[in-house]
Amino acid sequence: GAVVSQHPSRVICKSGTSVKIECRSLDFQATTMFWYRQFPKQSLMLMATSNEGSKATYEQGVEKDKFLINHASLTLSTLTVTSAHPEDSSFYICSARGYGEGNSGRTKETQYFGPGTRLLVL
Amino acid sequence: GQNIDQPTEMTATEGAIVQINCTYQTSGFNGLFWYQQHAGEAPTFLSYNVLDGLEEKGRFSSFLSRSKGYSYLLLKELQMKDSASYLCAVRDSNYQLIWGAGTKLIIKP
Repeated sequence: GAVVSQHPSRVICKSGTSVKIECRSLDFQATTMFWYRQFPKQSLMLMATSNEGSKATYEQGVEKDKFLINHASLTLSTLTVTSAHPEDSSFYICSARGYGEGNSGRTKETQYFGPGTRLLVL
Repeated sequence: GQNIDQPTEMTATEGAIVQINCTYQTSGFNGLFWYQQHAGEAPTFLSYNVLDGLEEKGRFSSFLSRSKGYSYLLLKELQMKDSASYLCAVRDSNYQLIWGAGTKLIIKP
């Protein structure tokens, strides 16, 4: 089935540094990838939607200059948290839109999630 | 506004059956998803409904009624490993996923 990988799985950095998170669709081409953030005991919050070869669309309240998203190919999207601060500490999850097998063998479009990256900014 | 409602927490017994409900009010409808999320992990896909009715997948089934804006996830023969949060998400007319807050399911022996 469709698989999405994310790297690194965990990162600890000092305040003011930049952190890059990679998201790859391993066995399918993902024209659309999504980046989410999740704080403890809260639901997923969509940060931005990225389409291959074009600029990402950011949700209201998400600073595009702070969270740089690049979707250079059909299998890779990156999120760079620039000048990270402690309040940026969170669980960042990417998701890729792809096709999987639903019931009765029918192909259904769905979203597959990467395993997530836990960011801790000291 | 757009809204997804699901219970905050439910408790069930190992081996039993539990039904997690989800009601939604969204601008347009292009499918409803159920995801399972264990603590500290990313969500994993469980089911997708776009037409009314029941979709069965092993121990898990998902039901949709578009006219009522209602779905449920049914888990049978509960196992301890089913203890997790279950997230309901609806894809709206813009193909955006609108997320519920999740239902924490606690399984007791």
